Amino acid sequence: GESVGLHLPTLSVQEGDNSIINCAYSNSASDYFIWYKQESGKGPQFIIDIRSNMDKRQGQRVTVLLNKTVKHLSLQIAATQPGDSAVYFCAENNAGNMLTFGGGTRLMVKP
Amino acid sequence: GAGVSQSPSNKVTEKGKDVELRCDPISGHTALYWYRQRLGQGLEFLIYFQGNSAPDKSGLPSDRFSAERTGESVSTLTIQRTQQEDSAVYLCASSPGTLLFNEKLFFGSGTQLSVL
Repeated sequence: GESVGLHLPTLSVQEGDNSIINCAYSNSASDYFIWYKQESGKGPQFIIDIRSNMDKRQGQRVTVLLNKTVKHLSLQIAATQPGDSAVYFCAENNAGNMLTFGGGTRLMVKP
Repeated sequence: GAGVSQSPSNKVTEKGKDVELRCDPISGHTALYWYRQRLGQGLEFLIYFQGNSAPDKSGLPSDRFSAERTGESVSTLTIQRTQQEDSAVYLCASSPGTLLFNEKLFFGSGTQLSVL
């Protein structure tokens, strides 16, 4: 079936380095993608989104890249900080009312 | 309130008992979603409410699961005859409208359900 998946379940980076979290999706009809950050004991928190008519979108310290050719989504975090440690989920929406979430990647930032 | 509120934050129950989970969405949000998150896994869609429309129940895993929403306010998720496999975090989210307009979901902190 259609699904959203992640390449790496755990990513460990040094504080100050850049982080790249990847996500593969299989539903070519998906037209809207979101990255969420989930800290321990909390609900997911919106980070950044991108529509399918774009291939890049930048926020504060974060950039989302969308490659529709290979159905790949990535989240780049610049100058990773200890507060960035969390589980990151990508999610896709194909013009319906249901967001399909990937399995998540745990980002661990080493001081 | 300022955000989505869920209660209780933790619930421990015995196998076979019924449980009721509550969600207070952000005031004015017409859309409300329930998701289930098993340990170390992603979010599994359960049910969606939009205004006075019939809810989308396509994600409910069995007839032991049901949910209600009064107007555009509180929602309750009920699990009857709980099983150990029901143990998970149950997350509620709301949004101003529908995802058709790419509106964002705002999540609560969830209810951690443990079935012994």
